[in-house]
Amino acid sequence: EADIYQTPRYLVIGTGKKITLECSQTMGHDKMYWYQQDPGMELHLIHYSYGVNSTEKGDLSSESTVSRIRTEHFPLTLESARPSHTSQYLCATSPWGLEDTQYFGPGTRLTVL
Amino acid sequence: RKEVEQDPGPFNVPEGATVAFNCTYSNSASQSFFWYRQDCRKEPKLLMSVYSSGNEDGRFTAQLNRASQYISLLIRDSKLSDSATYLCVVEGVHKAAGNKLTFGGGTRVLVKP
Repeated sequence: EADIYQTPRYLVIGTGKKITLECSQTMGHDKMYWYQQDPGMELHLIHYSYGVNSTEKGDLSSESTVSRIRTEHFPLTLESARPSHTSQYLCATSPWGLEDTQYFGPGTRLTVL
Repeated sequence: RKEVEQDPGPFNVPEGATVAFNCTYSNSASQSFFWYRQDCRKEPKLLMSVYSSGNEDGRFTAQLNRASQYISLLIRDSKLSDSATYLCVVEGVHKAAGNKLTFGGGTRVLVKP
């Protein structure tokens, strides 16, 4: 089982604040992903990376940005948080291989007031 | 039409009973299929991959029907701990580049004593 860490686990913040959600993994997986999931709804891919210096936008348009300077870290940043950003953000990793099995972190539950 | 569709349920299942549900997918070129389990307010976790010949893991049996483009999950001898949302996941080709996983909305299963 992959070791994936996300911090903070819960964040309540005011509108207009800049926030960074951290995701780190110790498995050396090249592929990393960010998903957004509202309660009871499906996951939507918002960003992914296939390795260092690789970042791509996912299916769901997001005002967030990501960076991949190191294999282990894939932080997500919101420059100016809004109530519409309230959601759960899940980070996942995947090794290269025939199957795209993904391992998820525990998620960050973000509430923007 | 969604790429991956599931009956959201909930499926109310007596403890010890068998429950089965399907998932349909639209991309006929998809090669990899998975069932993930997600508990309330938790991250998704891989339950099992789905192979062309069908596969079994304890009380769980997964089947793939390429002709009709659906996969199924059957749970025998349901336990209270099987209560969760089961996510159908299909590997597809991302618009930009590379492969990605597409998650269904999930089927909620409630096992009751």
